[in-house]
Amino acid sequence: DIQMTQSPSTLSASVGDRVTITCRASQSISNWLAWYQQKPGKAPKLLIYKASTLESGVPSKFSGSGSGTEFTLTISSLQPDDLATYYCQQYKSYSRTFGQGTKVEIK
Amino acid sequence: EVQLVQSGAEVKKPGESLKISCQGSGYSFTNYWIGWVRQMPGKGLEWMGIIYPGDSDIRYSPSSQGQVTISADKSISTAYLQWNNLKASDTAMYYCARQRVNSGWSSFDYWGQGTLVTVSS
Repeated sequence: DIQMTQSPSTLSASVGDRVTITCRASQSISNWLAWYQQKPGKAPKLLIYKASTLESGVPSKFSGSGSGTEFTLTISSLQPDDLATYYCQQYKSYSRTFGQGTKVEIK
Repeated sequence: EVQLVQSGAEVKKPGESLKISCQGSGYSFTNYWIGWVRQMPGKGLEWMGIIYPGDSDIRYSPSSQGQVTISADKSISTAYLQWNNLKASDTAMYYCARQRVNSGWSSFDYWGQGTLVTVSS
């Protein structure tokens, strides 16, 4: 199985900050990567697919980049509503795997 | 509007059987893969398996193979996740989710609300 490693595990930032989360794959996955946001008590929500394509309806303050084994999710201006855990997921094959998650807290 | 509606919370004893459901609506249920994702209390997301309701092609994660059974009834647009011998370690929230595109492999664009399964003696 392809392993996905996210960093950091927890991130504390101020309102208005630019925030970046990193996801690394144990082998090349081309651009077969998605990012999800999960707010407390809610189901995950798709933010980005194919590493950098914004899902319909998702604010443009979210952006994704990368290919191969290293990927990033950036929130351009952190707001209180962005309090959530963010997960990357590879789907190079049917056996898709998630990163362990990055919890974003507001200072 | 695409919707996935899951069955309600369950409380079971170790050794019991359980089948939870996920009903799709607002799209062609037979043409999109449906996946199951586990989230243990306070933990991250784990992909368990996926089914194509059109022909019941099923793929399991290595850790789920032999532990659960995934199935679907396309006549009622419903996918299932089943256990025959529940363990306390099966206690978790279970989500179903639709794959975004109907060919190849892709991300999950629509999610059910989750079914909480509690296994306790």
